[in-house]
Amino acid sequence: LAKTTQPISMDSYEGQEVNITCSHNNIATNDYITWYQQFPSQGPRFIIQGYKTKVTNEVASLFIPADRKSSTLSLPRVSLSDTAVYYCLVAPAKYSGAGSYQLTFGKGTKLSVIP
Amino acid sequence: GAVVSQHPSWVICKSGTSVKIECRSLDFQATTMFWYRQFPKQSLMLMATSNEGSKATYEQGVEKDKFLINHASLTLSTLTVTSAHPEDSSFYICSANSPTEGQVTEQYFGPGTRLTVT
Repeated sequence: LAKTTQPISMDSYEGQEVNITCSHNNIATNDYITWYQQFPSQGPRFIIQGYKTKVTNEVASLFIPADRKSSTLSLPRVSLSDTAVYYCLVAPAKYSGAGSYQLTFGKGTKLSVIP
Repeated sequence: GAVVSQHPSWVICKSGTSVKIECRSLDFQATTMFWYRQFPKQSLMLMATSNEGSKATYEQGVEKDKFLINHASLTLSTLTVTSAHPEDSSFYICSANSPTEGQVTEQYFGPGTRLTVT
């Protein structure tokens, strides 16, 4: 199982770019990297997913170096509403359809956006 | 996007009783659903993987006789907490896969169910 390590917490001012890095040293060849956002008492919400290099969507960018042992979620110009816990999940690309999917969430990063 | 619902959103029950939580995929068919438990200020812990029409696969340390999972259709999975005790009080979250052939599987999470056992 690919274990992940993230900073426990981060603070940022409104309007700044925030980069959250996740370490996953034992990532497997068929593992993808997915980032989720979770607000208190809500289910996680998908932010972005990637395998290598850079992925960008309307809310974030994901940078993955060539060795794939880490990844960085970049949130441009954060606002107060981005205050949440962010989880990095490393898991196989496709569930085999049998047994456990081996999904292990790390401890997450609590991002606090300051006015 | 794909939507997953859970019912109830919160429930309070007395110790020793059983509680059923439903997880539904509203606009897609989910051959696989996952159940998680999350204690306050902690991360999500996968409890079990549920495949439609077959027995669930429980993670190590999760009692299958206490947490009964039924995935009887492609849009519904249920988690029943039997003989609940205060230590079972937690936030239970389900997710569902909507795999598309040749693409990466993506999980869609439900809003969660807050269980309080008194």
